[in-house]
Amino acid sequence: GENVEQHPSTLSVQEGDSAVIKCTYSDSASNYFPWYKQELGKRPQLIIDIRSNVGEKKDQRIAVTLNKTAKHFSLHITETQPEDSAVYFCAAPYEVTGGGNKLTFGTGTQLKVEL
Amino acid sequence: KAGVTQTPRYLIKTRGQQVTLSCSPISGHRSVSWYQQTPGQGLQFLFEYFSETQRNKGNFPGRFSGRQFSNSRSEMNVSTLELGDSALYLCASSLLVGTGELFFGEGSRLTVL
Repeated sequence: GENVEQHPSTLSVQEGDSAVIKCTYSDSASNYFPWYKQELGKRPQLIIDIRSNVGEKKDQRIAVTLNKTAKHFSLHITETQPEDSAVYFCAAPYEVTGGGNKLTFGTGTQLKVEL
Repeated sequence: KAGVTQTPRYLIKTRGQQVTLSCSPISGHRSVSWYQQTPGQGLQFLFEYFSETQRNKGNFPGRFSGRQFSNSRSEMNVSTLELGDSALYLCASSLLVGTGELFFGEGSRLTVL
């Protein structure tokens, strides 16, 4: 079915530490995996994405890894800062009858970076 | 370039009433998706419209409906409101769904009393 599982639901780290959030998807045809960040009271915004033809992508302190065989992908944040505190959502597209895709989101991870 | 605009931002309704929410996408974006966000449930997909046609629909009852106009603006309607419909309703526009970035609006926060 169309399912994206995300763990952990909450994550607390000390400033400067690394944070890792993991997601698992079920549709082997999925080929695009974005991560969205939602700060308190604000809209979700894309922070990084990866397509199935690569295994890893980095953008400064954030990186995403993809394991298509195992159907899971992870978000890595290094040298965490207080402004990284937010809810992070992973997502994966699912093909639907008649064409097109439906982007299904994980349930979110509340990341708290403590001073 | 103007972002995605949703109206109204906040509204309070009572059970049994109906509500219409509006979304104006980024200029040039023909795809508009709607999501319901509640604590603990994340972002639940409602439906997606592309060029005035509903392409995908999530697992919501028929009380939830939507449409898209020729200028790509979209509306969603919820009839016979229930307490459980209280949520933040987010609209997102994109060039294509499932393969590119979604640009979200700030949402319409609906409270059902």
